[in-house]
Amino acid sequence: DQQVKQNSPSLSVQEGRISILNCDYTNSMFDYFLWYKKYPAEGPTFLISISSIKDKNEDGRFTVFLNKSAKHLSLHIVPSQPGDSAVYFCAALNNNDMRFGAGTRLTVKP
Amino acid sequence: NAGVTQTPKFRVLKTGQSMTLLCAQDMNHEYMYWYRQDPGMGLRLIHYSVGEGTTAKGEVPDGYNVSRLKKQNFLLGLESAAPSQTSVYFCASSPGRTSGFQETQYFGPGTRLLVL
Repeated sequence: DQQVKQNSPSLSVQEGRISILNCDYTNSMFDYFLWYKKYPAEGPTFLISISSIKDKNEDGRFTVFLNKSAKHLSLHIVPSQPGDSAVYFCAALNNNDMRFGAGTRLTVKP
Repeated sequence: NAGVTQTPKFRVLKTGQSMTLLCAQDMNHEYMYWYRQDPGMGLRLIHYSVGEGTTAKGEVPDGYNVSRLKKQNFLLGLESAAPSQTSVYFCASSPGRTSGFQETQYFGPGTRLLVL
């Protein structure tokens, strides 16, 4: 059972515009959420996280929004840069149970 | 400071063969993890360790064993490889100062395993 879903396998945006990556989850027990970025032939790297007691967390160009009632989170990248082109995974956590989405491949075109 | 390293980078096995994947970290982290990544599935946690000498099952532990005899090393073993274990395996570590899973996990570059 996929408890964390990223329904868009890919996303293409123009440099300088906003990228919005979405993630849905089904388990209401998840209380912490993370985004990881992955380049080809490398391991994932941590990007940003949010606790369920918050609805927004910002770090530079990256903002994560959490809508608990909708069991939905999103990652906004503004402005998008070509170096942001990668696969983005969202993850949800309940104690030591961590579940990842299948990833969204973001392509930022110059 | 190499971070998290994985050995080997790529391996081909025949069904029924055994092998051990080695993960090493030089950051003095308490927590270590083994994940597998399959197409369309994202990462799935196989086993993890919250400290030297401890291990615990993750989401998909069947067919794998692990050992954490030294703090810096986390070994993943396949006793009798099956084609379903063809995957990319990632090791990760985190400091473990508070809640290891909530802390940033640092990943290795991955091991690509093909079981024929």
